[in-house]
Amino acid sequence: DTAVSQTPKYLVTQMGNDKSIKCEQNLGHDTMYWYKQDSKKFLKIMFSYNNKELIINETVPNRFSPKSPDKAHLNLHINSLELGDSAVYFCASSKGAGSAPLHFGNGTRLTVT
Amino acid sequence: DAKTTQPPSMDCAEGRAANLPCNHSTISGNEYVYWYRQIHSQGPQYIIHGLKNNETNEMDSLIITEDRKSSTLILPHATLRDTAVYYCIVRVAAGNTGKLIFGQGTTLQVKP
Repeated sequence: DTAVSQTPKYLVTQMGNDKSIKCEQNLGHDTMYWYKQDSKKFLKIMFSYNNKELIINETVPNRFSPKSPDKAHLNLHINSLELGDSAVYFCASSKGAGSAPLHFGNGTRLTVT
Repeated sequence: DAKTTQPPSMDCAEGRAANLPCNHSTISGNEYVYWYRQIHSQGPQYIIHGLKNNETNEMDSLIITEDRKSSTLILPHATLRDTAVYYCIVRVAAGNTGKLIFGQGTTLQVKP
């Protein structure tokens, strides 16, 4: 049973396209996150939702729009994809937005050509 | 959240203890020390965290100095599967938005 699952695992697309990445967690957590890991392997937070409410937005371009239909899901939609968007995107969840450990999915490798 | 400093890489022989250091000299009294591990092509995995007392789980131990300015993650019997990047992160416990700020981490190579 995968606790935090992301789909797709790999995504190859052309510049200018619009794509979505889906994330689901079955841990009963109420807080979910999106992180981006670039080619230099730095992990940076992008967004966080607590009970479907946006609580963190780390100066991410407007082309990125997270959507949380319920507490178990946090999807990431990206419009007008650019070469610089190529990265591995990780979804994570935690119990509350405080000090509880984060549980990460195994990532979606996005390649924009 | 306070900044952490870790060596970029370390080697360890299989079966020996791996001691991974972390400096966090500007840590505040209400900040915890967290450790995560990222195995190649996987998401980061939570290992352990602590405030000021030493902590132990089934596999690993966290030693925090008395002044809390540094800590060490100990893998008592490293295996090849422990080869990974290890991240030390300090984070406020209460009233936090939950975000983790990752540094470069330490790449641990366990060798046969």
